[in-house]
Amino acid sequence: NAGVTQTPKFRVLKTGQSMTLLCAQDMNHEYMYWYRQDPGMGLRLIHYSVGEGTTAKGEVPDGYNVSRLKKQNFLLGLESAAPSQTSVYFCASSYSTSGKNNEQFFGPGTRLTVL
Amino acid sequence: KNEVEQSPQNLTAQEGEFITINCSYSVGISALHWLQQHPGGGIVSLFMLSSGKKKHGRLIATINIQEKHSSLHITASHPRDSAVYICAVRSRGFWRNQFYFGTGTSLTVIP
Repeated sequence: NAGVTQTPKFRVLKTGQSMTLLCAQDMNHEYMYWYRQDPGMGLRLIHYSVGEGTTAKGEVPDGYNVSRLKKQNFLLGLESAAPSQTSVYFCASSYSTSGKNNEQFFGPGTRLTVL
Repeated sequence: KNEVEQSPQNLTAQEGEFITINCSYSVGISALHWLQQHPGGGIVSLFMLSSGKKKHGRLIATINIQEKHSSLHITASHPRDSAVYICAVRSRGFWRNQFYFGTGTSLTVIP
């Protein structure tokens, strides 16, 4: 099992450009999450999905869109990148949200710089 | 205001020392997680707690629900324990899918 994978690992964008980050998991997890990690701050939830075809806003959703067309994939899109979106982005997945199955498995992260 | 506060922010220890990292939270939770982030950036889950105490090798995690406090202990610390340790809580109720994360404790264990 590959677990949770993210592509790309690094990306540099110019202000106004768009891009899509791809997260894939092979654990048949229902729940998937996108976080951003900034210096001096804890991980913050951008969007999440509780199953194929569903998405919901997290704590910091502005400037991002997501899609979950297939259960194993969760895409994070930036339509018009801004320097404030310079961050490290982590994807995570979990089987459920209750009991011992709510452990989150994290991807390796994507380091995004917006100039 | 941070829903999850960790202390200390930075910690340096000599190999073999007993280490304690503290986590306090202000929201109602269904579970608390301890995560480890290695210098390369990868994040792994160490523990999930909803009550009491758990032990895995040299790591021990405890939680006091009434006091809204958790501790992560490392016995006989080793340089390979050097990492950032993150406390995260899953909130109850309407925002039950929301995780709140502490800013992490950066641990360096010196040989």
